Amino acid sequence: KAGVTQTPRYLIKTRGQQVTLSCSPISGHRSVSWYQQTPGQGLQFLFEYFSETQRNKGNFPGRFSGRQFSNSRSEMNVSTLELGDSALYLCASSSGLAEHRDTQYFGPGTRLTVL
Amino acid sequence: GQNIDQPTEMTATEGAIVQINCTYQTSGFNGLFWYQQHAGEAPTFLSYNVLDGLEEKGRFSSFLSRSKGYSYLLLKELQMKDSASYLCAVYQAGTALIFGKGTTLSVSS
Repeated sequence: KAGVTQTPRYLIKTRGQQVTLSCSPISGHRSVSWYQQTPGQGLQFLFEYFSETQRNKGNFPGRFSGRQFSNSRSEMNVSTLELGDSALYLCASSSGLAEHRDTQYFGPGTRLTVL
Repeated sequence: GQNIDQPTEMTATEGAIVQINCTYQTSGFNGLFWYQQHAGEAPTFLSYNVLDGLEEKGRFSSFLSRSKGYSYLLLKELQMKDSASYLCAVYQAGTALIFGKGTTLSVSS
């Protein structure tokens, strides 16, 4: 089975711009979760989508948004970029059927640098 | 709220045994995961505990005590390739996986 894929792998943006990241889950998985990873804060949960609906949400400002398509692919958008948004953005997929027991499988991440 | 604590760094030598501890305080508990993350790579799943006790998988074992809010990951017969960050994560009711900041393990020869 192909793993989780994320595009692009690297992005450089400037403050004030917006960015869209894409994630394709493992075939058959219906849940996609997004995380931000920084050296100081570690892995922080952004949100989870299941069957095109946001099921869970972390404590990030409204500039961070996402969506999921009928084929389970997901996109994450960050508007009005700030320097502090520079991070590795990871998505993880799981079956979504055993919500609190699912193993999440991570993609390679998108490294976002905001200048 | 939730709080997950792990040591920041640990060092060990090849062939040794190392125990990485994780303590957690969460409102609602639905299971604890351990992930391994090599520098520049994605986290990969190591183990899952939802009931008290020890789960063994080859050189790696994970232990959980729900009453104490405590888990550990035990790595035996350490190899250089085990140098990585080890992340403890818990499912909290109403959210997805919440991660600790990770323990960076350095294995030397």
